[in-house]
Amino acid sequence: GAGVSQTPSNKVTEKGKYVELRCDPISGHTALYWYRQSLGQGPEFLIYFQGTGAADDSGLPNDRFFAVRPEGSVSTLKIQRTERGDSAMYLCASSGQAGANVLTFGAGSRLTVL
Amino acid sequence: GENVEQHPSTLSVQEGDSAVIKCTYSDSASNYFPWYKQELGKRPQLIIDIRSNVGEKKDQRIAVTLNKTAKHFSLHITETQPEDSAVYFCAATFNDYKLSFGAGTTVTVRA
Repeated sequence: GAGVSQTPSNKVTEKGKYVELRCDPISGHTALYWYRQSLGQGPEFLIYFQGTGAADDSGLPNDRFFAVRPEGSVSTLKIQRTERGDSAMYLCASSGQAGANVLTFGAGSRLTVL
Repeated sequence: GENVEQHPSTLSVQEGDSAVIKCTYSDSASNYFPWYKQELGKRPQLIIDIRSNVGEKKDQRIAVTLNKTAKHFSLHITETQPEDSAVYFCAATFNDYKLSFGAGTTVTVRA
């Protein structure tokens, strides 16, 4: 597509529920990134994919968070047993090749855990 | 890991004046320093970037300077306009993908 697309744009859920956030990167971009942005803060790195594999998942806060990219394009960020502290904007970005580091961000998915 | 500090957190300038935002980083191996602009409710957008083999880069009213010895870099916006009002984030990385962002500077341009 023309840009990075993220769905849903807004997600409200109850504590303890499971959520999935989807990212559709720019067509042909091999690298995909997930960041989390809390209110009034800069984005924080979560995970980076090169193709289908997670090249670096060191930013995932705990084992409730998991992300996949099975066909090397669309990625899904999965959060189990959500907690109120998970409330944030989840940003996806893609770039043209590993090491290109010019990230294009999506509009984000705002997650609110009640 | 990399730690990026950004100052000031808020900046109010009169239209037509200049705005300067400063960032420091901790990892001397960092070699790529982008700046992102984020308007309210919108995605961060890259406005300018600089690599460690360059000391200064300019793009119309925007310029970035880098001092590797001191480990700091700055964004300069000249002749500010109301549409420059936004949150600006600096970032740094040494491995090309794991950007470490500053906390952001909210810039308000007064007409």
